Amino acid sequence: GDSVTQMEGPVTLSEEAFLTINCTYTATGYPSLFWYVQYPGEGLQLLLKATKADDKGSNKGFEATYRKETTSFHLEKGSVQVSDSAVYFCALSAFSGTYKYIFGTGTRLKVLA
Amino acid sequence: EAGVAQSPRYKIIEKRQSVAFWCNPISGHATLYWYQQILGQGPKLLIQFQNNGVVDDSQLPKDRFSAERLKGVDSTLKIQPAKLEDSAVYLCASSLDSGRGWAEAFFGQGTRLTVV
Repeated sequence: GDSVTQMEGPVTLSEEAFLTINCTYTATGYPSLFWYVQYPGEGLQLLLKATKADDKGSNKGFEATYRKETTSFHLEKGSVQVSDSAVYFCALSAFSGTYKYIFGTGTRLKVLA
Repeated sequence: EAGVAQSPRYKIIEKRQSVAFWCNPISGHATLYWYQQILGQGPKLLIQFQNNGVVDDSQLPKDRFSAERLKGVDSTLKIQPAKLEDSAVYLCASSLDSGRGWAEAFFGQGTRLTVV
């Protein structure tokens, strides 16, 4: 079945460091890909998305490119801030009778000042 | 616009008791989802509604969980009787239309259930 695999955390970085969180997926057809973020005490919110191969999603300095050849959607940010500390979830939306979201297990990021 | 509303935020019950969660999605959103998020794991879909019809409940433990969506708007999720392993955050989400795979899902803040 369809699935999402993302790197385990926690990831601990110093402020202004470069961030990469790996995400790979398995899906039949052509899924849409998403990154959601969950800040402490809050619900999940969409960070960015890409709907077809080679699309790049970007928001708040974060970027991810839909790579069909490697079935990946890695999240990157050039310079992280303390306020980026959160749990990041990679997800896909795939058609199986209807469109369904499937989430990865989440990666906790902690940024130190 | 108003977001997805859920209540209560927290609930503590004893095993074998029953509990119900309520969700009010964003106005106009046809699709409503209930997810279970166990600590340290990603959200797992329990049930998905399109308007007031169920389109996927394959992972809903139907012997103890039930859900309904009245008039295609509000929804309730019930657990009866609860087990210790039901301790989790229950998330409600909504999106415009599940016929559009790129549609963003908007999440509520969730209900944290502790079964003791």
